[in-house]
Amino acid sequence: DAGVIQSPRHEVTEMGQEVTLRCKPISGHDYLFWYRQTMMRGLELLIYFNNNVPIDDSGMPEDRFSAKMPNASFSTLKIQPSEPRDSAVYFCASSSQASGANVLTFGAGSRLTVL
Amino acid sequence: SQKIEQNSEALNIQEGKTATLTCNYTNYSPAYLQWYRQDPGRGPVFLLLIRENEKEKRKERLKVTFDTTLKQSLFHITASQPADSATYLCALDRRALTFGSGTRLQVQP
Repeated sequence: DAGVIQSPRHEVTEMGQEVTLRCKPISGHDYLFWYRQTMMRGLELLIYFNNNVPIDDSGMPEDRFSAKMPNASFSTLKIQPSEPRDSAVYFCASSSQASGANVLTFGAGSRLTVL
Repeated sequence: SQKIEQNSEALNIQEGKTATLTCNYTNYSPAYLQWYRQDPGRGPVFLLLIRENEKEKRKERLKVTFDTTLKQSLFHITASQPADSATYLCALDRRALTFGSGTRLQVQP
C-alpha cells in the first residue's frame, strides 16, 4: 500500500479564494481524520469520519470549513473563503479499529499559505 | 479543560546517552497513550502504544512508561543516535487522538 496520499503538497492562494485539499486513506481503514498543525497551536483535530460518516466535527474552526467523504477511498477538506489565519499544514490520517486501538497513519500533509 | 503538556524546550543530548521525554496530562482518563515521531516536512509516524493497565512497554531502544496516578508518561530512547533527532509527540485517546505540542530532540554526535 502507498500509504495515505494527500494533494496538493503545497498550495499558495490569495485571501478569499476557495481551497480544496484531498486525501486518499489506506485501503481497508474505516476511520479518517483531518488535523491542522501550526507552531502556535500544534496538531489540532478538525473532524473525523467512521465508515464515511462524520462523527465529530467540533474541531472545525467555523462555517468556512467543510469536509466530505463520498466514499471509502476519498475525502476532501474545503475552505471557502480562505483567510491568512488558515495558513497551516493540514494532515489527513487513517486508521483501522480492528486491533482495538486507534493507531494513525498520517499522510505527508498539505502546506497551505494564504496571502 | 483537558490538557496535554510536553516540554516545549528542545532537549539536547550527546550521542550514546539516554533521552527521556515527558508527557503530562490533566482532566483525561485515556484508554491508552501513544508516542509518535515527526521529522521536518513529514507527517507523524507511530512508534509505541501503551494501555492504561500497562506500566511499561519496550520496543528495541525505546521504552515507554505510563503512570495513571501521576497522569504522566515517560518516553526513553537508550543509546541515542543523531538519527533519533526529531520531534516526539504524545497522544491520548478516548474517541479520537489528541496530541501534545511535542518535544524536539537533538542528539549531538
